[in-house]
Amino acid sequence: GEDVEQSLFLSVREGDSSVINCTYTDSSSTYLYWYKQEPGAGLQLLTYIFSNMDMKQDQRLTVLLNKKDKHLSLRIADTQTGDSAIYFCAEKWDNQGGKLIFGQGTELSVKP
Amino acid sequence: DAGVTQSPTHLIKTRGQHVTLRCSPISGHKSVSWYQQVLGQGPQFIFQYYEKEERGRGNFPDRFSARQFPNYSSELNVNALLLGDSALYLCASSLQNSGNTIYFGEGSWLTVV
Repeated sequence: GEDVEQSLFLSVREGDSSVINCTYTDSSSTYLYWYKQEPGAGLQLLTYIFSNMDMKQDQRLTVLLNKKDKHLSLRIADTQTGDSAIYFCAEKWDNQGGKLIFGQGTELSVKP
Repeated sequence: DAGVTQSPTHLIKTRGQHVTLRCSPISGHKSVSWYQQVLGQGPQFIFQYYEKEERGRGNFPDRFSARQFPNYSSELNVNALLLGDSALYLCASSLQNSGNTIYFGEGSWLTVV
């Protein structure tokens, strides 16, 4: 199947850490992605991780990958009000031209 | 450097009409993909083109078609528009076929009335 699942909402206080979780479907996916979408805008690539890696860190962002459980998470340290947006995880299927399968998105709300 | 550019940004069409959406990939990128994002959902894959050839197709009716030009820009065409075609249409580009770094444009908002 093509179901990438995410929780729909997350609310945190400014300065706290946010953790957004995702489960994906295809154990043969080579890359997994996190995108950010602000209201009325397109998708901004935040980071991506190769499936052979367990962790990737990029400034305030930490991606953890548990390939056995097909679980991906995005941790945002010191969350700011500007981080309020919808976050999508996606897996890449190389056998179809590299198409991305997206989850429904997690709406992150950051309260001051 | 310019990112992925799409036009038009917003448009309104009537049921039954035809629409053409345009995309210019990042300079040097040869792969272009199209996605449809209905309000409240994640994007759904429509097409992927590389070197002017279709390399992937999603589960969309034949009313949807696309092409890629020698300069790697692309057009998405939708015929016989339905109300359900109202969505944000996103174009993505990557350096090569099944490239790893995939960037999206700001999208074209289509409203069908």
